[in-house]
Amino acid sequence: EAQVTQNPRYLITVTGKKLTVTCSQNMNHEYMSWYRQDPGLGLRQIYYSMNVEVTDKGDVPEGYKVSRKEKRNFPLILESPSPNQTSLYFCASSPRGVSGANVLTFGAGSRLTVL
Amino acid sequence: GENVEQHPSTLSVQEGDSAVIKCTYSDSASNYFPWYKQELGKRPQLIIDIRSNVGEKKDQRIAVTLNKTAKHFSLHITETQPEDSAVYFCAASMGRGSTLGRLYFGRGTQLTVWP
Repeated sequence: EAQVTQNPRYLITVTGKKLTVTCSQNMNHEYMSWYRQDPGLGLRQIYYSMNVEVTDKGDVPEGYKVSRKEKRNFPLILESPSPNQTSLYFCASSPRGVSGANVLTFGAGSRLTVL
Repeated sequence: GENVEQHPSTLSVQEGDSAVIKCTYSDSASNYFPWYKQELGKRPQLIIDIRSNVGEKKDQRIAVTLNKTAKHFSLHITETQPEDSAVYFCAASMGRGSTLGRLYFGRGTQLTVWP
């Protein structure tokens, strides 16, 4: 089944404890992206990757890191999480970019709480 | 960067009535406008999209209109049903050059359809 898989789905952690949210897709998509969703703020783009070894900042990259060493994986790294990073995180992928026929497929989401 | 504003933030309609959600964008270079539906506890899913060279697009009970001059686009749902209840997000993308991977979302509209 074609899908985007995120792990963990739920996580409660403490301030400053490094964590990684993994994202993997099995559709051979070139484009991958991370979004965070907060009540009343919609979806905001954190980072995106047009292809392997190519990553770019979105609207809210501060406090996050990403890497794209393989086509299928795009992990989101929080080096020193803070309470303002408590959010629902979505990973998404598409064949190429976000326009036209490139339909975004979202993962199921990862709910992160930082105490 | 692009700024997408979405109104209203909440919308309640009676089953069978129509619902309209409106979005405006700031950058005239934007040329692709998707709409996503997010049911409670689920991931966003694309329901319809429109490109800047088209003024209107329909898919059964759903239609999207685009006014490039005024820089606004709207989602129209006719004959609403309870299963249309969800959060709807509009988005905009320039789809080219250095912004190829950027997708800007509105803040969302919670649509409730009462039986």
